[in-house]
Parts: sequence; structure tokens; C-alpha cells
Amino acid sequence: AQTVTQSQPEMSVQEAETVTLSCTYDTSESNYYLFWYKQPPSRQMILVIRQEAYKQQNATENRFSVNFQKAAKSFSLKISDSQLGDTAMYFCAFMRGLTQGGSEKLVFGKGTKLTVNP
Amino acid sequence: DSGVTQTPKHLITATGQRVTLRCSPRSGDLSVYWYQQSLDQGLQFLIQYYNGEERAKGNILERFSAQQFPDLHSELNLSSLELGDSALYFCASSVAPRYEQYFGPGTRLTVT
Repeated sequence: AQTVTQSQPEMSVQEAETVTLSCTYDTSESNYYLFWYKQPPSRQMILVIRQEAYKQQNATENRFSVNFQKAAKSFSLKISDSQLGDTAMYFCAFMRGLTQGGSEKLVFGKGTKLTVNP
Repeated sequence: DSGVTQTPKHLITATGQRVTLRCSPRSGDLSVYWYQQSLDQGLQFLIQYYNGEERAKGNILERFSAQQFPDLHSELNLSSLELGDSALYFCASSVAPRYEQYFGPGTRLTVT
């Protein structure tokens, strides 16, 4: 079974600074997808970024980028120019790529609570 | 706004009761997923439907059941409720399996 580990329960950063959230995962599969979701105090789950395991290029979405290290099974999220609205829980999630006999469910880590300070 | 709607937003009920949570996926999405978020278990996958058919089950209790209707909306039925069923229940949808999942706002269930 796949597992996702987020080793930083809480982090804080000053507004306009850069912060990196860590995520590692365990899988025996070679084809899969990785995601970061954000959950602000409103509790809504918001998709931040997606990475396909077969792509070597790291995904970016505006101020959000990832560092995907497939061999190390590491998938960190970098937030540049942090804003107060980035304050939220951030969840790393894994989805297997093969569908035969399996599910496209998301397997989530425990989350990292990020606080952006003014 | 993700385009996924869930009703009701909040639900307070007593132990032993039965409730139904409703989800409408984004327009065009055929896959629906249900997840439970609790303080002790985190985010857990419950069940997945694709175009009306059950596709996969996760850690879903026998007291829980779900279905996806021809118009693609889905309902999650929780019966014989226990205090431990108190949680935030999310529905998510995707256009097809292996595509991004977009989450609804969730239903906060409190069992007293």
C-alpha cells in the first residue's frame, strides 16, 4: 500500500518570503501522480499543483512550484512571495497511475499547517 | 468555487440515526469520490463511482453505503450513527479516473 509522509506538522514564514514544505511517499509503482492540496480555515480543499511521475520537468503554478525527486520519492512544495492568504493546511497526496484492479483514490499525508506572518 | 456542490453544509444528529449526504459533481465530470476527514484518521477515501458504477471501495464501514444516479449526482448514506462518525465528509469529482479531483465544500456531521 502507498503511504505519504509529511514530516513537518507546522511551519511559519514571513510575508513575501519563500517556504518549502516536505513530502515523501512510498510506492513500488513507476506510474503515478502527485498533488498538493491547500485547506484554508474555511475547510475547502483546493488543488494547488499536480505532477505526473513520468515527467522529469517540475510543475509550476504561479508562485507555487514543486521539486520532484523520483528516485528519492520526494515531492516538496515551494511557495514564493508568501501571502497572508497562503495560511492553510497543506496536504500532499498520491494517486496510482495503473487502473486495472485498483482505484484512483487519493492517499493523503497528515498535512502541514502553514502560517504566514505579516 | 470548485463547481462541486454538497448539501447540507452542517448536520447534527443523534446516535443510532440515519442521514444522507448529497453531492453534485462538476458539469461533465463522470467520477465521484467520497472522503472522510477526522482529527484522528486524517483524510480517508471511502468509495468511488464512475458513470453510475461503483469502481472502488476504501475504508468504508458496512453501516455506510453510497450510490451514483443517472444524472451523476451521488448520495452517501450513513446509518446507525455513532459518536465516532462525527467528521467532515467531502465529495470530489473528476472528468475521468486519473484526472485531477476537485472537492466540494464538505458536510460537517456531528453525532451527539
